[in-house]
Amino acid sequence: GESVGLHLPTLSVQEGDNSIINCAYSNSASDYFIWYKQESGKGPQFIIDIRSNMDKRQGQRVTVLLNKTVKHLSLQIAATQPGDSAVYFCAENEDSGYALNFGKGTSLLVTP
Amino acid sequence: DAGVTQSPTHLIKTRGQHVTLRCSPISGHKSVSWYQQVLGQGPQFIFQYYEKEERGRGNFPDRFSARQFPNYSSELNVNALLLGDSALYLCASNPAGAPGQPQHFGDGTRLSIL
Repeated sequence: GESVGLHLPTLSVQEGDNSIINCAYSNSASDYFIWYKQESGKGPQFIIDIRSNMDKRQGQRVTVLLNKTVKHLSLQIAATQPGDSAVYFCAENEDSGYALNFGKGTSLLVTP
Repeated sequence: DAGVTQSPTHLIKTRGQHVTLRCSPISGHKSVSWYQQVLGQGPQFIFQYYEKEERGRGNFPDRFSARQFPNYSSELNVNALLLGDSALYLCASNPAGAPGQPQHFGDGTRLSIL
């Protein structure tokens, strides 16, 4: 069935570098996308979201890019810090649906 | 302001038992959603409630049920527990539960079935 998936299960970056986490989706009806960060033993924490009528949205040290043509979403983290180490999930939502559909997650490890 | 709170934080049950998990949404939020997160996977949608009415249901058996109270808190009930029900159960809230809004999660209840 249609699903949200991630390209890489793990990503290791050095402190201070930029990180890029990718996500592919297959549901053409998806019109809202959201990134969450989940630290060990905690619930998912909202990072940033974007609607399908936008290509790019920026937050503090984070940028989300949406390419609807190839159904691809990415999260860019600038100047990655040790506190950014966590599992990152993308999720999507249809305008007619109430559920957020999550991918499996990418584990980001920041090394000093 | 307090975030989404869930209780208990951990729970151990045996097969065949039932369990009740509780959730209090962020103050002012009228919608509560429940998700199941199996180890190594992303959360899977179970239910959404708004103003005490069920708005959406995921692909879960009838052993799973929920309700929402007038103060917008919610309970998730699971009957006839199976080993496969071992997971982190997450509650999320948002103001009106409409599509296209971020949902804010609690830290979950870790349920282990022996």
